[in-house]
Amino acid sequence: DTGVSQNPRHKITKRGQNVTFRCDPISEHNRLYWYRQTLGQGPEFLTYFQNEAQLEKSRLLSDRFSAERPKGSFSTLEIQRTEQGDSAMYLCASSWGVGAYNEQFFGPGTRLTVL
Amino acid sequence: GQNIDQPTEMTATEGAIVQINCTYQTSGFNGLFWYQQHAGEAPTFLSYNVLDGLEEKGRFSSFLSRSKGYSYLLLKELQMKDSASYLCAVRDRHSNYQLIWGAGTKLIIKP
Repeated sequence: DTGVSQNPRHKITKRGQNVTFRCDPISEHNRLYWYRQTLGQGPEFLTYFQNEAQLEKSRLLSDRFSAERPKGSFSTLEIQRTEQGDSAMYLCASSWGVGAYNEQFFGPGTRLTVL
Repeated sequence: GQNIDQPTEMTATEGAIVQINCTYQTSGFNGLFWYQQHAGEAPTFLSYNVLDGLEEKGRFSSFLSRSKGYSYLLLKELQMKDSASYLCAVRDRHSNYQLIWGAGTKLIIKP
């Protein structure tokens, strides 16, 4: 049983550096989501893909953030010129279905610390 | 606008019953989810309600009243491993069926 996987699990970087995270969803899932979560808060939606198409991007997301899902399978999330406020857990989730009931399965997350 | 409210923290005793409430405001309600999240781990799915009423799944049950914008998660026969955060999330068809998440309720189980 291969669930959602994310790499790396932890990333420590210096302010101003670029970082890239990878998410491998459950293979038959057509939707992939990226969230950010800080301590004591629920997940904050960043963006999602249906197959390879990026259908929505949070208005809260600055242009330093970009995501891709080139072949409709794995996805990458890049943060350019990181800031200390970017420190958070970055969660990826995947699901099957369009519109109807579609439980999201989460990966273990990538914890980013910006020094 | 969209808003989800849950208590920040609750404490209960092992073996007891606890009810975690969630109220929501959204214009295009299309289902409510409960997730469990242990510290440092990813959320895991617990339950889904789209129609009014009670959904029971083992020790966990979830209730929905769409007219009141209200849901609760009921946990019975509490075990120490139930200590976690419980997240309420509402799907909104006016937001492209995205999940709107509450901040979560941290549940502390005492022996």
